[in-house]
Amino acid sequence: DAKTTQPPSMDCAEGRAANLPCNHSTISGNEYVYWYRQIHSQGPQYIIHGLKNNETNEMASLIITEDRKSSTLILPHATLRDTAVYYCIVRAQGAQKLVFGQGTRLTINP
Amino acid sequence: SQTIHQWPATLVQPVGSPLSLECTVEGTSNPNLYWYRQAAGRGLQLLFYSVGIGQISSEVPQNLSASRPQDRQFILSSKKLLLSDSGFYLCAYRLMGGPEAFFGQGTRLTVV
Repeated sequence: DAKTTQPPSMDCAEGRAANLPCNHSTISGNEYVYWYRQIHSQGPQYIIHGLKNNETNEMASLIITEDRKSSTLILPHATLRDTAVYYCIVRAQGAQKLVFGQGTRLTINP
Repeated sequence: SQTIHQWPATLVQPVGSPLSLECTVEGTSNPNLYWYRQAAGRGLQLLFYSVGIGQISSEVPQNLSASRPQDRQFILSSKKLLLSDSGFYLCAYRLMGGPEAFFGQGTRLTVV
């Protein structure tokens, strides 16, 4: 699986959009971009995934660059409950392993 | 719908004692199963994964072992715990062909 690079930490004001970047310059054509988040002392929670088109669901939006070498997870109206570690993972859909990197610790400030 | 059960929630064990953590999944068949460990302040480390009964892949050489005696049961074991085995242990499953993994609530293990 391709390696991902994320900033170790970010801050965002409550009510504003939180934009979390992820670099995956070695991504292969059959690899998807997945995002999970882990709230303190809980197991990770799936957020969204995509291949090359932008995706949106009730939790977030995923913007993938045209060359697919980077992506951005957008939380449109961040709340205090969005404070968590956010993991960007690149994985082929049929791959069995699911490996997490260090993630970005997002803190939403009141 | 599927559910995942992991127990106990917390565990304190002396060094040298054995360990057995159990994880079960309900509502599906032939899921991929995973064990992760998270040391304090660190990231998630994949320990083992299984794609079927009796099939275990180990990711990191260590003092732990895993078994899958039944389709929806995944067990993490140790014969003799070390202090370094302390951490937050998470079990997860992924449906065959599904994109997302679902995690249990975790077991916080403290070896003293």
